[in-house]
Amino acid sequence: EVQLAESGGGLVQPGGSLRLSCTASGFTFSNYWMNWVRQTPGQGLEWLAHINPDGSETNHVDSVKGRFTISRDNAKSSLYLQMNGLRVEDTAVYFCATLTWTGDVFDIWGQGTTVTVS
Amino acid sequence: DAVMTQSPLSLPVTLGQPASISCRSGESLVRSDGEIYLNWYHQRPGHSPRRLIYRASKRDSGVPDRISGSGSGTDFTLKISRMEAEDAGIYYCMEGPQWPLTFGGGTKVEI
Repeated sequence: EVQLAESGGGLVQPGGSLRLSCTASGFTFSNYWMNWVRQTPGQGLEWLAHINPDGSETNHVDSVKGRFTISRDNAKSSLYLQMNGLRVEDTAVYFCATLTWTGDVFDIWGQGTTVTVS
Repeated sequence: DAVMTQSPLSLPVTLGQPASISCRSGESLVRSDGEIYLNWYHQRPGHSPRRLIYRASKRDSGVPDRISGSGSGTDFTLKISRMEAEDAGIYYCMEGPQWPLTFGGGTKVEI
């Protein structure tokens, strides 16, 4: 089965750090650009960052630039989001996703992991 | 960065009746390769988003043909020809592939 599974969320105080993980299965992880997307309580979706298949290129949205870092380990089929300097407004459900643009590659989302900054 | 504006914010629909959601971009989504990179997603409460439409009008495998996408340039539409109970939820458009990828604010479709 093609799936992504996030972990690492939890309760953290403002200014604290967390590292989210996302493990892929059922598809060739190393072929895909990977993304982190978050959804604040009762609100919409915000794209945060992406990383190219070999990990040599990353981009982050301005609101998290300098605080969050996306990375990957293709040998472990895993994606990561290191979050430092957390703020109350970072409270959200965090999803990893492939976000693709064609029908012949998987557009997959994980189930999400909840981060609460309080 | 493209700003994606969806309307309406909320859409009550009667079972069996049609529904239409608009997504407007602040800039043309026709990219240098001539393609339009616009996806539509559906999210049910407590679930992750699921892609329904890619490249503005191409239906994903398993998506019923009562759901369709159309549009070009800056104006895009998702249509449900006959509302069914499983269609309730929040719909999002998303543009790319240049970063930052941008989602519309969402449209809540209720029975």
